[in-house]
Amino acid sequence: KQEVTQIPAALSVPEGENLVLNCSFTDSAIYNLQWFRQDPGKGLTSLLLIQSSQREQTSGRLNASLDKSSGRSTLYIAASQPGDSATYLCAVRALSNYQLIWGAGTKLIIKP
Amino acid sequence: DGGITQSPKYLFRKEGQNVTLSCEQNLNHDAMYWYRQDPGQGLRLIYYSQIVNDFQKGDIAEGYSVSREKKESFPLTVTSAQKNPTAFYLCASSIFPRRVTDEQYFGPGTRLTVT
Repeated sequence: KQEVTQIPAALSVPEGENLVLNCSFTDSAIYNLQWFRQDPGKGLTSLLLIQSSQREQTSGRLNASLDKSSGRSTLYIAASQPGDSATYLCAVRALSNYQLIWGAGTKLIIKP
Repeated sequence: DGGITQSPKYLFRKEGQNVTLSCEQNLNHDAMYWYRQDPGQGLRLIYYSQIVNDFQKGDIAEGYSVSREKKESFPLTVTSAQKNPTAFYLCASSIFPRRVTDEQYFGPGTRLTVT
């Protein structure tokens, strides 16, 4: 059964630092992987989607990588800003039924 | 302005009452989903629908029911059989789950409190 893990559960860094969020999954048979952002009490916003055949995707200050063989994805945030404070969730789409399997998220706090 | 709307934002109910959460989308997406989010846990799939008049159970469907009479609407009923209904409920939609670039888009959520 596919399991998705995000470590650490929470992270606090000073403004301006580059940082990496981690996502690991147990079954490499995935269709794609998505990173989402969630602000407190709000819905989710899709940040990046990486297809299973891709190694990385970039959007602005965000870069997501995917290594299927090792079951890992990272979300790199460059030059962090207080507005980046949110919970970041990753989800893999299972090949078996095309549904998303979710990690519990990493709560990121950027200190001014 | 395309998107997904969920109403109400906050909902309070007494134990033993059924309650229906609304989800509407104007993105012309075929697929719609209901998730439950509890503190410290990943999202869990309750029900999903890939086409009008058809829906499938997710991982935690017990105590919930849905209907998909229109493409735009996918209401979720939390019945009195749901043991722990207090949670944050999220509705999502996507164009076509089997497409490798398919992304899910989310509504703002409904926080349900049952006392």
